[in-house]
Amino acid sequence: DIVMTQAPLSVSVTPGESASISCRSSKSLLHSNGITYVYWYLQKPGKSPQLLIYRMSNLASGVPDRFSGSGSETDFTLKISRVEAEDVGIYYCGQLLENPWTFGGGTKLELK
Amino acid sequence: EVKLLESGGGLVQPGGSMRLSCAASGFTFTDFYMNWIRQPAGKAPEWLGFIRNKANGYTTEYNPSVKGRFTISRDNTQNMLYLQMNTLRAEDTATYYCARGTTGDWGQGVMVTVSS
Repeated sequence: DIVMTQAPLSVSVTPGESASISCRSSKSLLHSNGITYVYWYLQKPGKSPQLLIYRMSNLASGVPDRFSGSGSETDFTLKISRVEAEDVGIYYCGQLLENPWTFGGGTKLELK
Repeated sequence: EVKLLESGGGLVQPGGSMRLSCAASGFTFTDFYMNWIRQPAGKAPEWLGFIRNKANGYTTEYNPSVKGRFTISRDNTQNMLYLQMNTLRAEDTATYYCARGTTGDWGQGVMVTVSS
């Protein structure tokens, strides 16, 4: 299975400041079609996970452009600019390249 | 508006069976792959498998961790997705979600507890 490793486990951010979350995969997520199959999700307290970023850098529908995704074949970053109170929750990266699809352990974002 | 509503969860004894349902609306059901994903309390999600769309013959793929015990099916006339779970174990205790396509939309989840 492809292992997804996130860092840090938690991050505390002042509202209005930016935050970055890292994710590393145990295998390249770059498909021969040129698409990198890494996805980012936010799970707000008591809610289902919601998709933020798909295929490494594409913003999901309805997601503020304060969120952005970038990376290489095995190292990925989710950046949140101008953090707001509604951004609090647990962020997960996931790979949808091969069976079984797998997720990272999560990064908890809190406000200072 | 896309809506996914899971049902059928609850308490089941070890070794027992349970079938979960997911009612889908707001989109053309047959156009989409449909997934089941579970999440134990306080842990990361675990993808269980999917059933492909009409164009791909409604075939299935499973996580090896549940293959042979869990079965995903769909009723395209009713826009329903199902997860049949057999020989349940304590470690199957989790919130179970259905999700559309490449996980763009998730249901609210249903809890399954496996305990005697």
